[in-house]
Amino acid sequence: KAGVTQTPRYLIKTRGQQVTLSCSPISGHRSVSWYQQTPGQGLQFLFEYFSETQRNKGNFPGRFSGRQFSNSRSEMNVSTLELGDSALYLCASSLVGRNEQFFGPGTRLTVL
Amino acid sequence: DQQVKQNSPSLSVQEGRISILNCDYTNSMFDYFLWYKKYPAEGPTFLISISSIKDKNEDGRFTVFLNKSAKHLSLHIVPSQPGDSAVYFCAASDMKTSYDKVIFGPGTSLSVIP
Repeated sequence: KAGVTQTPRYLIKTRGQQVTLSCSPISGHRSVSWYQQTPGQGLQFLFEYFSETQRNKGNFPGRFSGRQFSNSRSEMNVSTLELGDSALYLCASSLVGRNEQFFGPGTRLTVL
Repeated sequence: DQQVKQNSPSLSVQEGRISILNCDYTNSMFDYFLWYKKYPAEGPTFLISISSIKDKNEDGRFTVFLNKSAKHLSLHIVPSQPGDSAVYFCAASDMKTSYDKVIFGPGTSLSVIP
């Protein structure tokens, strides 16, 4: 069974631009979560989607948004990029009712 | 406000000895706890979990202990192997209200020295 895939793997943007990251969960997994990882901060929860609905949200500004499609694939968007948005963005999927999440390799975003 | 804390950023252990990674949490609503391991350039992988109705869960070389009164859990790796060198994240969730919202700690980097 294929794992969680994320595209692109690396991205360089400049301040003020916007970016869209994509995540394809493991087949059959309907819950998709997004995390931001920065040095010393661990994994900060962004949001979680299930059946195209955002069920949980972390403490990030409205510049961070996401969506989920009917095939469970998910995208996250960051608008008006800031230098502090440079991070590794991880997507994870899980079966409904199961806490154990399966992570993708992440997208490394660098904002210049 | 960090709800899940891992106060040791790094830990070094000799191969064959025990590695003990600690984690503290502040939210008394958390009732499910997980440990993940992360190698560079890879996403975290699930290692072991424990429900708050238990105080110990064992899986091979990995054992997680939970002390609810102290809001503390620990991961024991015995014996430690060089391949265990990675960053370990403690995570927690409230299964009653938002089980798919998992809060992670900052991680502890474990180095197992051959």
